[in-house]
Amino acid sequence: DSGVTQTPKHLITATGQRVTLRCSPRSGDLSVYWYQQSLDQGLQFLIQYYNGEERAKGNILERFSAQQFPDLHSELNLSSLELGDSALYFCASSPLNRGEAFFGQGTRLTVV
Amino acid sequence: EDQVTQSPEALRLQEGESSSLNCSYTVSGLRGLFWYRQDPGKGPEFLFTLYSAGEEKEKERLKATLTKKESFLHITAPKPEDSATYLCAVQLFGNEKLTFGTGTRLTIIP
Repeated sequence: DSGVTQTPKHLITATGQRVTLRCSPRSGDLSVYWYQQSLDQGLQFLIQYYNGEERAKGNILERFSAQQFPDLHSELNLSSLELGDSALYFCASSPLNRGEAFFGQGTRLTVV
Repeated sequence: EDQVTQSPEALRLQEGESSSLNCSYTVSGLRGLFWYRQDPGKGPEFLFTLYSAGEEKEKERLKATLTKKESFLHITAPKPEDSATYLCAVQLFGNEKLTFGTGTRLTIIP
């Protein structure tokens, strides 16, 4: 157990809908990363927050957004969902804004 | 463009048959190289961090090494429970994200 908690574990939703994925980092970790993993693309970096502020952005679609709250938990919002958004979404946390990151068990999103 | 390439894509070994996985990188300003293990449907599990050429880290049957162009993950006398996908990732100075390779899927046959 990495100490990073993601909810829900599974999510099935229809195209065009909006969902929110939640991540609780390890106790004391200030940095949160979001990654998308699909079968054909491996782990793709979406966005990073450090102590409530956005630090780095990857190839995150405009339909996706995230935030980190004062208690350091983070949410990833996915809207206008398309079939191609079906994937595993991982959150990871680290104590600082660098160094190794520890991953949660992921949320499996299926868009039908 | 920064690149991380892992080889082979897949590797099948008999139990006890030692081998090495490769992670080569073409980046500017490497801050650290990371190895992870991922089981199907699970999140990546952190194994090692390497910061400078010549550095080595060991954990049970695994040993990771780093040169200026590549890293190796050596697995000695593997057991079936070592079967997993092994991922490497790089982090650059001034860019805090981890950029992952596509992984090596390792299968250990009893």
